[in-house]
Amino acid sequence: KNEVEQSPQNLTAQEGEFITINCSYSVGISALHWLQQHPGGGIVSLFMLSSGKKKHGRLIATINIQEKHSSLHITASHPRDSAVYICAVDQGNLIFGKGTKLSVKP
Amino acid sequence: DTGVSQNPRHKITKRGQNVTFRCDPISEHNRLYWYRQTLGQGPEFLTYFQNEAQLEKSRLLSDRFSAERPKGSFSTLEIQRTEQGDSAMYLCASSLRWTQSAGELFFGEGSRLTVL
Repeated sequence: KNEVEQSPQNLTAQEGEFITINCSYSVGISALHWLQQHPGGGIVSLFMLSSGKKKHGRLIATINIQEKHSSLHITASHPRDSAVYICAVDQGNLIFGKGTKLSVKP
Repeated sequence: DTGVSQNPRHKITKRGQNVTFRCDPISEHNRLYWYRQTLGQGPEFLTYFQNEAQLEKSRLLSDRFSAERPKGSFSTLEIQRTEQGDSAMYLCASSLRWTQSAGELFFGEGSRLTVL
């Protein structure tokens, strides 16, 4: 079993839909990162969480340390949100999930 | 600061040759990470540094791979006797970490290696 599990692996949505991507982990962590990677592009950090909830524009990230679970939400999704979203847990080193490929159709 | 810089961006080499990649992190970032990513897969940990100290190296990494960060600033990743399976994007990231508090990650654009 992988230490970091993301779901779903692939997600197709219509423009305007509310999107949720989940991340579960099985190790102790000091923080959790949500990252975005566009096709052929570099990786950009969206959020770093150690507790609670953070919001940036249409993106919201939450973490439940007791349940070892985090979610990334996108409100009013747009085709430009199409990318791979990666969860990574920080325990000194970083352990990455396999990513969720999101495609938002106009 | 211009962010994390990686060089070269692309490298094509013949099997058996040695290659070296360089990563310049954001100034004063004390953590530096190397990852590898193949098409359609998530990043795979290679090694990381706290200042000049190499703290961990992946068990998946053969002894053909070596990394250094001699002065705690830039880092190099060398692959000796390259194999076709080494073809991948090699990513570098840096962060500023204080004791147990993690820092935000900043990634370079990556160095793409193609082994013929």
